[in-house]
Amino acid sequence: DAKTTQPPSMDCAEGRAANLPCNHSTISGNEYVYWYRQIHSQGPQYIIHGLKNNETNEMASLIITEDRKSSTLILPHATLRDTAVYYCISKSFSGNTPLVFGKGTRLSVIA
Amino acid sequence: DGGITQSPKYLFRKEGQNVTLSCEQNLNHDAMYWYRQDPGQGLRLIYYSQIVNDFQKGDIAEGYSVSREKKESFPLTVTSAQKNPTAFYLCASRQGAFGNQPQHFGDGTRLSIL
Repeated sequence: DAKTTQPPSMDCAEGRAANLPCNHSTISGNEYVYWYRQIHSQGPQYIIHGLKNNETNEMASLIITEDRKSSTLILPHATLRDTAVYYCISKSFSGNTPLVFGKGTRLSVIA
Repeated sequence: DGGITQSPKYLFRKEGQNVTLSCEQNLNHDAMYWYRQDPGQGLRLIYYSQIVNDFQKGDIAEGYSVSREKKESFPLTVTSAQKNPTAFYLCASRQGAFGNQPQHFGDGTRLSIL
């Protein structure tokens, strides 16, 4: 599974879009990109995942570049409750090994 | 409601004591996982199980043991051999052992040493 790189921290004004980048330059063709977030003292919450097409659900949008070497998670209207650590993970769908969590990006939404 | 239930939420262990953390899921998921999280760190895999009566060691299995006698249950025992057990323990499950379905997590158990 490819290694991912994320900035350690980001700030975002409340009500604005939060754009969280992730680099996965060594990703292979059968690896999905998964996003989770963890609010303090809670278990990680699944947000979204995708292979190569952009994905959207009720929580967020996932934009994957055409070469698949990077992606961006977009929270369209950030609220204070979106303050959390966000994890980007690359994982092969043909493998049976579990997800590997790095240190993620700490997003602070500011009023 | 469907989900993953971890209990207790807080647990205290005395020196030399074994303690067991419970994880139950009613999602009919095949695979289950145990992670450990230390302050300011990412998650590290302790054990995982893809099917009943089978499990594999993760990256930090020493001092821990698990069982998978039922599909919905995957308890973790922290033994006295684990010298630094203070951490946040997370259980997760997934629909299939293979494929692209995401893992879903419980709310964790925080273990401390008395």
